[in-house]
Amino acid sequence: DADVTQTPRNRITKTGKRIMLECSQTKGHDRMYWYRQDPGLGLRLIYYSFDVKDINKGEISDGYSVSRQAQAKFSLSLESAIPNQTALYFCATSRGNSNQPQHFGDGTRLSIL
Amino acid sequence: RKEVEQDPGPFNVPEGATVAFNCTYSNSASQSFFWYRQDCRKEPKLLMSVYSSGNEDGRFTAQLNRASQYISLLIRDSKLSDSATYLCVVSPGDPGRRALTFGSGTRLQVQP
Repeated sequence: DADVTQTPRNRITKTGKRIMLECSQTKGHDRMYWYRQDPGLGLRLIYYSFDVKDINKGEISDGYSVSRQAQAKFSLSLESAIPNQTALYFCATSRGNSNQPQHFGDGTRLSIL
Repeated sequence: RKEVEQDPGPFNVPEGATVAFNCTYSNSASQSFFWYRQDCRKEPKLLMSVYSSGNEDGRFTAQLNRASQYISLLIRDSKLSDSATYLCVVSPGDPGRRALTFGSGTRLQVQP
């Protein structure tokens, strides 16, 4: 079983819909992250959380919100989806130190029509 | 200047070739460095950490030059399966920034 699990793996939806992407991990890591990746571009950080009470905006948080329900779960919401949020979304985890590598889930491919 | 810069490539090399990628970073206070590999439409996977003394893992060698603020990855005896995008990753040197910074990646295509 994957250590970092994202659901759904693929989603097609319409403009204006509310969407939630979920991430769960069995690695026991404190830190969790959400990124988006657009074709030909690098990873861009949306939100990150160092524990259930510590949530921080990344470089592109507008239009997104997150919830850290437990140490092992970190969900990303698009309150009112728009087509330019079509992208590949990755969740990642790391140990409690900014010098540690991150471990990624398989990704969620999101298309907004 | 971007925090982490990489040549996007693509680097097209024949099987068996040796290929090297460089990456430059802007924050001299950064402490940790990594190379990740990403296959098309898949998640990034940690390839190796980069240590000050340089380190090797099989056909892969990573080196760090703190004075010039660059990191390199050398791949010897390239295989078709090495075709992927290689991401240079740097830890935050700024205490106000608390997440790793990923470069945009260098694409490698190994040809038969």
